[in-house]
Amino acid sequence: AQSVTQLGSHVSVSEGALVLLRCNYSSSVPPYLFWYVQYPNQGLQLLLKYTSAATLVKGINGFEAEFKKSETSFHLTKPSAHMSDAAEYFCAVKTDNQGGKLIFGQGTELSVKP
Amino acid sequence: DVKVTQSSRYLVKRTGEKVFLECVQDMDHENMFWYRQDPGLGLRLIYFSYDVKMKEKGDIPEGYSVSREKKERFSLILESASTNQTSMYLCASTTLGNEQFFGPGTRLTVL
Repeated sequence: AQSVTQLGSHVSVSEGALVLLRCNYSSSVPPYLFWYVQYPNQGLQLLLKYTSAATLVKGINGFEAEFKKSETSFHLTKPSAHMSDAAEYFCAVKTDNQGGKLIFGQGTELSVKP
Repeated sequence: DVKVTQSSRYLVKRTGEKVFLECVQDMDHENMFWYRQDPGLGLRLIYFSYDVKMKEKGDIPEGYSVSREKKERFSLILESASTNQTSMYLCASTTLGNEQFFGPGTRLTVL
């Protein structure tokens, strides 16, 4: 069965510092993996997705994630945090090839200090 | 531009009331989903639908039902609202193999 674990429910960084949000997955089939961002009082917006092409995936707003099969990880990074990056981030894995059901991690709230 | 809309951003209801949450997508997507979001628990799937008039239970269907009479519309129904159903409700849609597109959410408070 598929599952997703996000390490750290809260991460705080200084503006300009590296952002690293951790995601580990479990999947019995080659996974499709996603990172979503949620700004306060809004729905989820797709940041990036891995669908078995390049292992390093670039997304919007300067974020990227690397798929590492040996580590079953899909960590999200950004070289330099901006105040506008403060939000909640969700990692998700697609469970099957029919219908696109996703399993989400618990979420990581990112705070950016000036 | 793709769009998923939800009928209300904020809703306050009383215990025992019947509550309808509406979701409409304009992307001709086959699949639609209802989630609830609670702090520390992430998103949990309530119900989903792969086609008109089809529905399947997700992980937490108890206390909820759904209706999908038209492809673009997926309704979540709380037959008799309870205080433990106070939550953020998110609707999403997708076509096969692609990412889900989310609505803005409905924050429901049950008093």
